[in-house]
Order: sequence, then C-alpha cells, then structure tokens
Amino acid sequence: KAGVTQTPRYLIKTRGQQVTLSCSPISGHRSVSWYQQTPGQGLQFLFEYFSETQRNKGNFPGRFSGRQFSNSRSEMNVSTLELGDSALYLCASSLGAGGRYEQYFGPGTRLTVT
Amino acid sequence: QQPVQSPQAVILREGEDAVINCSSSKALYSVHWYRQKHGEAPVFLMILLKGGEQKGHDKISASFNEKKQQSSLYLTASQLSYSGTYFCGTEQNTGNQFYFGTGTSLTVIP
Repeated sequence: KAGVTQTPRYLIKTRGQQVTLSCSPISGHRSVSWYQQTPGQGLQFLFEYFSETQRNKGNFPGRFSGRQFSNSRSEMNVSTLELGDSALYLCASSLGAGGRYEQYFGPGTRLTVT
Repeated sequence: QQPVQSPQAVILREGEDAVINCSSSKALYSVHWYRQKHGEAPVFLMILLKGGEQKGHDKISASFNEKKQQSSLYLTASQLSYSGTYFCGTEQNTGNQFYFGTGTSLTVIP
C-alpha cells in the first residue's frame, strides 16, 4: 500500500498570507490527524478528522482550520500567517479514530513564513 | 496535558540496553511510542492500551503502569539503527486530544 502523502513538501509564504496543505491517507484509513512540529514545542496536536467530522481540536487559534473529504483526504488551512507559524506540519492517518489505532505519518510540509 | 519523558537524551554503545520513560498526570486510555530519525517522519513502534492490550513490533517491548500512568519503552541489545528521537503519545480516558511528549534523543555509537 502507498503511504501517507502530503503536498506540497516545502512552502515559503509571507506574513499575512494564507496557506492550504493537503494530506492523502493510506487507502482504507478513515482518520486523519494534523500536527505542528517545531524545535521548541515538539509535536503539537492540531486536529483529528474521522468520516469528514472534526473529532478533536488542539489548542491553536481559529486561524488554523481543516476539513476532510468523503475520500478521507484532508486539508488544513492557515490564514493570516505569522512568523511563529513556521514549522513542519505532519499529518497522520489511522484505520479508526482515537488512541486505539496506530498512526502512520506522512513526510510533512515544511512551511517557512517570512 | 503533555506527558513528561525521561531522560531527555541518552548515548549508548552498540549492544547496551536503554529504558525511556513517559508519565502523565492524567488517567490514560492509551500510550503510543514512535521513533523519528532526523529529517524523517515519526514511525510507529508500540501501542499500549488501558486494560493490558498491546500491539507493536516484535523487537520492541514496553510496559504501561495504569496505577501510576507511566509507560516505559525497553530497548535491548541496541543497534546503530535505533538512533533517533523517541516520542510517547497519550490519549486520556476522556477521549481528548492526543498529546506527544517532548521526546528522548537516543544515540547509539559503535
């Protein structure tokens, strides 16, 4: 099976712009979670989607949003970018929702905000 | 609540053993362990569930003390390929968001 794919892999944006990141889960996986990884804060949970519904949301401002489509692909959007949003954004897919299922991570999207 | 991992870093020689700990102040439903090599995505190692169920790779062992809300990952007879940063991830009984620990950097040297 193909692994989790994320596009684009690298992105450079300026402050105030918005960005959309895409994640395609492993075939058959219905849950997608998003994480922000930075050297200082480690892996921070953004949100989890299961069957097109947001199941959980982390402690991030409303500028961070996401959605999941009927084919389980997911997108996350960050509006009004700030310098502090520079990070590696990882998505992970799993068969089902919640902590019972192992997560398979994509390679990430490296976002740089200037 | 982010779980606390210890140690923060460890250096081993090939063949030595290591234990990485993860503790939470909240009652947990599950503990996950992942390894991330530099420039790569985290890779699943092990899941431990409340009630004793476990699943993961054969060469990895771990424990989950439900009374103390602590988990330990045991790396025995370490190999060079074990190098990387190890993260524990936890989900509370309330089914809340998933929290990752700050990571443990493990370096295996010849």
